[in-house]
Amino acid sequence: GQQLNQSPQSMFIQEGEDVSMNCTSSSIFNTWLWYKQDPGEGPVLLIALYKAGELTSNGRLTAQFGITRKDSFLNISASIPSDVGIYFCAGLPASGSRLTFGEGTQLTVNP
Amino acid sequence: EADIYQTPRYLVIGTGKKITLECSQTMGHDKMYWYQQDPGMELHLIHYSYGVNSTEKGDLSSESTVSRIRTEHFPLTLESARPSHTSQYLCASSPPVTDTQYFGPGTRLTVL
Repeated sequence: GQQLNQSPQSMFIQEGEDVSMNCTSSSIFNTWLWYKQDPGEGPVLLIALYKAGELTSNGRLTAQFGITRKDSFLNISASIPSDVGIYFCAGLPASGSRLTFGEGTQLTVNP
Repeated sequence: EADIYQTPRYLVIGTGKKITLECSQTMGHDKMYWYQQDPGMELHLIHYSYGVNSTEKGDLSSESTVSRIRTEHFPLTLESARPSHTSQYLCASSPPVTDTQYFGPGTRLTVL
C-alpha cells in the first residue's frame, strides 16, 4: 500500500519558536489532512487540503498541499505550551479508497 | 465540529471477559472506522464500514468483530479479552464526498 514518511519523528523547541513538519510519499494523493492528538484523546482535525498547491491557515497553523501531490507540510508559528502533542498527517491516495496515516511527530514545547 | 462519541472512555477488565466498545455519531456519515493505537504510536485500521450491513477488515488483523445495523452506531466486540488486547481504540466517521475522518475521544482498554 501507499506509505507516508512523516518527519521529524520528534521535536523539542522553546516557546515562541516556529515549527515545521512534513509528510512525503512516492505516490500521488488527492487529499491531505493534518491532525493533533493529545495524550489519551482522539486525533482532532486541524487542517484539510483538497487541491494541489492549496495553502490553508487555521490561526497560527498553516499547511500546504504540495504541487506534485506527493507531499504536504504543516507550520506552527510562535509556539505555545499547549501546542504539545502528536501531529499526524493523513492522505487519501489517488489510487486508493482509504486514508493512509503518517507515523506522527511528537512536539515538545519548553516554556 | 464533529459529533462522535465513544463509551466507555476507560475500561479495565479481566482475561476472558466479553466486551463491547460503543461508537455513535450524529452526523449521518455513511463511513465509519475503528483504529487500534498504542500510546504515542501510529494508528492501525482494524475495521471499517461504508454503510448499514457493510463491514470489512482493516489492515491490522484483529480478533474483534464489528456490526453496522444502524447508520449512527458501529460497536466493536471482543468475545474473550486477553492482555494482548490492551490498547487505545479509536472510532472515526467520514462523509461520503471528502473522506475526511473525524475521531471520537477513544476507549482506553486494559486487560489484566
